[in-house]
Amino acid sequence: TQLLEQSPQFLSIQEGENLTVYCNSSSVFSSLQWYRQEPGEGPVLLVTVVTGGEVKKLKRLTFQFGDARKDSSLHITAAQPGDTGLYLCAGVGGSQGNLIFGKGTKLSVKP
Amino acid sequence: DADVTQTPRNRITKTGKRIMLECSQTKGHDRMYWYRQDPGLGLRLIYYSFDVKDINKGEISDGYSVSRQAQAKFSLSLESAIPNQTALYFCATSDAGTGVTNEKLFFGSGTQLSVL
Repeated sequence: TQLLEQSPQFLSIQEGENLTVYCNSSSVFSSLQWYRQEPGEGPVLLVTVVTGGEVKKLKRLTFQFGDARKDSSLHITAAQPGDTGLYLCAGVGGSQGNLIFGKGTKLSVKP
Repeated sequence: DADVTQTPRNRITKTGKRIMLECSQTKGHDRMYWYRQDPGLGLRLIYYSFDVKDINKGEISDGYSVSRQAQAKFSLSLESAIPNQTALYFCATSDAGTGVTNEKLFFGSGTQLSVL
């Protein structure tokens, strides 16, 4: 069974700090996605990484896919309170070829 | 208006009751999904449908059933609710992109269900 493990589970930081969250697996994924979920809402797709070693930037967010396509990271520069939320990684896997989700990193950015 | 609409947003029910959660979408997508989210367990797939005549069980389908009434509507039923079905339920849609690696999910705002 393919599993995606996210770390840390919780992260509480002050506005302006930098942070990195991780999504790791022992399995190879053809692609990985990152979603952000705000309180009271459903997850929203941020990015999909497809190629090993790929780096994508979305304003202050930098996403990287590992060379072996088994892991990914999300780095946020100068975090803001609006970045608060649950960050989920997801990859196609499992016995039915559907998206499977990690358990998420809950980020809190305090003013 | 939201592209993926779930009703109700909140529901409290009692053990043994039958309950239906509804999902409708205006995105024109063929694929629809039902997930549940529990603290510490992430999102788990209950059922999914690739078109009106296609229904598939997901990871945790026991105790649930679904109906795809039309391309735009996908409902989830709990025939006899039990307390461990208390969770946040999400409906999602997808157009599958250009292949499985490009599939993007679009989620509704969720239904918080409490079974007492």
